[in-house]
Order: sequence, then structure tokens, then C-alpha cells
Amino acid sequence: AQSVTQLDSQVPVFEEAPVELRCNYSSSVSVYLFWYVQYPNQGLQLLLKYLSGSTLVESINGFEAEFNKSQTSFHLRKPSVHISDTAEYFCAVSLIQGAQKLVFGQGTRLTINP
Amino acid sequence: KAGVTQTPRYLIKTRGQQVTLSCSPISGHRSVSWYQQTPGQGLQFLFEYFSETQRNKGNFPGRFSGRQFSNSRSEMNVSTLELGDSALYLCASSLAPGGVYEQYFGPGTRLTVT
Repeated sequence: AQSVTQLDSQVPVFEEAPVELRCNYSSSVSVYLFWYVQYPNQGLQLLLKYLSGSTLVESINGFEAEFNKSQTSFHLRKPSVHISDTAEYFCAVSLIQGAQKLVFGQGTRLTINP
Repeated sequence: KAGVTQTPRYLIKTRGQQVTLSCSPISGHRSVSWYQQTPGQGLQFLFEYFSETQRNKGNFPGRFSGRQFSNSRSEMNVSTLELGDSALYLCASSLAPGGVYEQYFGPGTRLTVT
């Protein structure tokens, strides 16, 4: 079975400061990796994904995540956050072969202070 | 292209009642998955449908059921509601089964059981 651990339930940062949201996963087989963002009273939006190839993946709004197979991690980073980044962020995995279901971490609430 | 739509957006039911939630996938998407989101358990996979067939089911009691129609629209039903069923129910659609296909989430249906 797969599991995902997000090490921080809440992360407060000041605007324009860098941020890292940590994600570790456990799986005996290969998986795809995802970061989703959820704004208040909304569904989930895909932020970025790692399927294969370059271990560093980037989103259009400045976030990036690096897949580290040896450490089974997929941490999310942004060099300078904005108030609009305030949201809950979920790390997830899905099997490459087999069931499509996403297994999510517990989420990290990112709060940006002015 | 319209996104995933879910109806109703909000629902209040009484213990013991049953409820049906509806999900219309993005046009052309044939795979639909359902997730339950609660503060305590986080995001948990309920089921996945493709071509009117349930391909996978999460670890939920038999009171939770679903189906998919020939136009890919999906419904989920919860019978004999319990207080613990209060949650945000999210539907996601994708072109086809398989982790490589991005899942697009709807805004969810917030169910409150009193």
C-alpha cells in the first residue's frame, strides 16, 4: 500500500519570503507524484506533477518540486510567496500500474502574513 | 470547456436518511473518481468508474455506493446516513483510467448530517 506524509500541518510565512512544504511517501512500487492546491470553499487544483524524466518540475505560478527517489520525497518550494498563495496544499501519489486512485497526505495549510 | 460540475453544492440531511450526489465530468472524460474529505481523515478515495464499471473501491462500508451512466455522468449514494458522513464529497474526472491522466476536481458537495 502507498502512504504520504506531509510533515507540517501548518506553515506561516511572511510575504515575499521563501517557503518549503515537505512531502515524503512510501510505496513498494513506482508511483506518480502530485501536488494539489485547495483554496477556501473550492475543489482541488493540480499544481504540478512528476511522471518521469527531469526530477525538478515547475508550475506556471512559480512553485517547483523535486523528486528524490533515494529519500522518497517530493518537497514543494517557492522562492517568494504572495498573499494569494494562502491555501491548503496536498501531496499525493498514484500507482503507475493499476488503480488510478490518488493517495493524499493530510495537507499543509500555508498562511502568508503581510 | 466547462469543468467538472457537482450538484447539489450543499446538502443537509438527518441521520438515517439517504442521499444522492451527482457529478458531471468534463466533456470527453470517461473516468470518474469520488473522494471524501473530512478534517479528521483527510482526503480518502471512495470509488472509480470507467465505462459504467466500478474499477476500484476504497475502504468504505457498503452504505456507500455509486454508478456511472453511458454519458459518463456519475452518482454516488449514501444510505442510512450517520453523523460521521458529514464531509465534502469531491468528484474528479479524467480522460481515461491511469495515473498518467490528470484528474480534474469539481468544487464538491458539502454534506451535513444532523
